[in-house]
Amino acid sequence: DTGVSQNPRHKITKRGQNVTFRCDPISEHNRLYWYRQTLGQGPEFLTYFQNEAQLEKSRLLSDRFSAERPKGSFSTLEIQRTEQGDSAMYLCASSRAGTAYNEQFFGPGTRLTVL
Amino acid sequence: AQSVTQLGSHVSVSEGALVLLRCNYSSSVPPYLFWYVQYPNQGLQLLLKYTSAATLVKGINGFEAEFKKSETSFHLTKPSAHMSDAAEYFCAVREGNRDDKIIFGKGTRLHILP
Repeated sequence: DTGVSQNPRHKITKRGQNVTFRCDPISEHNRLYWYRQTLGQGPEFLTYFQNEAQLEKSRLLSDRFSAERPKGSFSTLEIQRTEQGDSAMYLCASSRAGTAYNEQFFGPGTRLTVL
Repeated sequence: AQSVTQLGSHVSVSEGALVLLRCNYSSSVPPYLFWYVQYPNQGLQLLLKYTSAATLVKGINGFEAEFKKSETSFHLTKPSAHMSDAAEYFCAVREGNRDDKIIFGKGTRLHILP
């Protein structure tokens, strides 16, 4: 169990640029989640996948955000035309379907700063 | 709808003193409740969970929490604080009867005073 990994750990970009983050879940986990965390807030759900299917997207996820999990393994989160309000920590988590209490294992996050 | 409210965005305790972090929940169904901890520059780690079995739940690092239905509370405690406990703590509740989604509170940052 190598844990959930996220890359990059930090990203600084200029407003209007596109950014892409990657998440590698724990290998036997079929569920993968993306959250956004801003200062003083808990993680806010953005979207999640079961295998390669994107099952739910939050209303927080504007049209500029897109997530993929093409082979049911790693996932990418892309933000197009970044805005300063997108500055946040983006967390990825994974879990195994079928557990009653849905323990999610989190990665270290990608901190995005939009200048 | 389910939600959790964490009372106090910052809590300071002296090393060796009792730690008490408060969480109240709202749920239309029997809740599953969780406490997660986040150390600086790290992801969240599950401390403990309540899933309708024993009301007193023991977790890692000496933490425990008690589910009190009458008070709709799930407060986190530790008898004796250690410097290494300084972190942010999040209470969370399962959304409805779903096994695939949890909702987090805003968090409480715990400061340990020497």
